Amino acid sequence: AQSVSQHNHHVILSEAASLELGCNYSYGGTVNLFWYVQYPGQHLQLLLKYFSGDPLVKGIKGFEAEFIKSKFSFNLRKPSVQWSDTAEYFCAVTMYSSASKIIFGSGTRLSIRP
Amino acid sequence: DAGVTQSPTHLIKTRGQQVTLRCSPKSGHDTVSWYQQALGQGPQFIFQYYEEEERQRGNFPDRFSGHQFPNYSSELNVNALLLGDSALYLCASSLGTGNYEQYFGPGTRLTVT
Repeated sequence: AQSVSQHNHHVILSEAASLELGCNYSYGGTVNLFWYVQYPGQHLQLLLKYFSGDPLVKGIKGFEAEFIKSKFSFNLRKPSVQWSDTAEYFCAVTMYSSASKIIFGSGTRLSIRP
Repeated sequence: DAGVTQSPTHLIKTRGQQVTLRCSPKSGHDTVSWYQQALGQGPQFIFQYYEEEERQRGNFPDRFSGHQFPNYSSELNVNALLLGDSALYLCASSLGTGNYEQYFGPGTRLTVT
């Protein structure tokens, strides 16, 4: 079955540190890739998405992600985190054959020390 | 511009009971999807409704059913509740099926005792 793996369950960083959250998916066909963020007490929000084209995509709040097809990966990065980035981050994928169904990873909790 | 709304916010039910959760999509959206998010897990797709029909379904038993109304709002019904049904139920709306940008509501926290 198709799945999304997020290897880091909880990441703790200090402000201004660089961030990279790993995401791998298992599906050999055409995919669309997403990162969603859930700030404490708020809804799930779309951070960025990849459909096609440039594999390096930029999202809101200075986040970016790189799609590496050969590695089935879509890692999230930010050069310098802020305390306000404290949240739960979810990687997700939809497959061309089932475009409406979003498959989510289990999430990574990011805690930023001020 | 009203976002996705869900009601109720919290709900406590007993095993064996039935529950109905409600969702109003974002203004201008016509498609509603439902997800179950267990504690510490990512959301899992239950099903999607478009034009008042179930268009796609995830790996959930028939105890989970839904409905979409002419105004695009939707209900999720769960029969014969089990303890394992305790979770946050999320509704997401989009414009058309296959549209990849889904907007999520705040969720309904269901606790089954």
